[in-house]
Amino acid sequence: DQQVKQNSPSLSVQEGRISILNCDYTNSMFDYFLWYKKYPAEGPTFLISISSIKDKNEDGRFTVFLNKSAKHLSLHIVPSQPGDSAVYFCAASAYSGGSNYKLTFGKGTLLTVNP
Amino acid sequence: AAGVIQSPRHLIKEKRETATLKCYPIPRHDTVYWYQQGPGQDPQFLISFYEKMQSDKGSIPDRFSAQQFSDYHSELNMSSLELGDSALYFCASSTPGYEQYFGPGTRLTVT
Repeated sequence: DQQVKQNSPSLSVQEGRISILNCDYTNSMFDYFLWYKKYPAEGPTFLISISSIKDKNEDGRFTVFLNKSAKHLSLHIVPSQPGDSAVYFCAASAYSGGSNYKLTFGKGTLLTVNP
Repeated sequence: AAGVIQSPRHLIKEKRETATLKCYPIPRHDTVYWYQQGPGQDPQFLISFYEKMQSDKGSIPDRFSAQQFSDYHSELNMSSLELGDSALYFCASSTPGYEQYFGPGTRLTVT
């Protein structure tokens, strides 16, 4: 039962254009969402996050949008750069007391930015 | 800036052998998480520790155990290895909160 879904295994965009990566979730208890970027042979790198009490968070070229009613979030990268080419994982967490912040990941989207 | 350190980076074991993976969190991070990522899969949560106590447990086989030591480093012990245990094992650390910082991973191959 995949609670976090990234339905596009891959996405290809032109340098300078906008990249939009999508993520859907099913667990209404999730209250925090994160995006990680992963290069081959490296661990996931934290990119940006959003709390469920917000609908937008922006950090430089990266913006995450959250639509709670639709259980959908998206990551916008603008302008896209060739160095952004990587696998992007959407992750979600439901705080369950104590220090329990385990992450549930989607299967990832491979972004390729073409020069 | 200091990052999460994992050792070894690569490990090859035979079926039924044991393996120990080590994780050194970012300084002043008191929470450690272990994840397993199979080929073409998303990372799956195994277990976590906060202040040297187990704080949460996921889909970790009984053949696996883990602990966090007084210096906050953590070890994942895997016994009676099976072919299906071949995967990338990531450790992540954090202060109490949502944002976790991942190490480079240990690639375990069981033959």
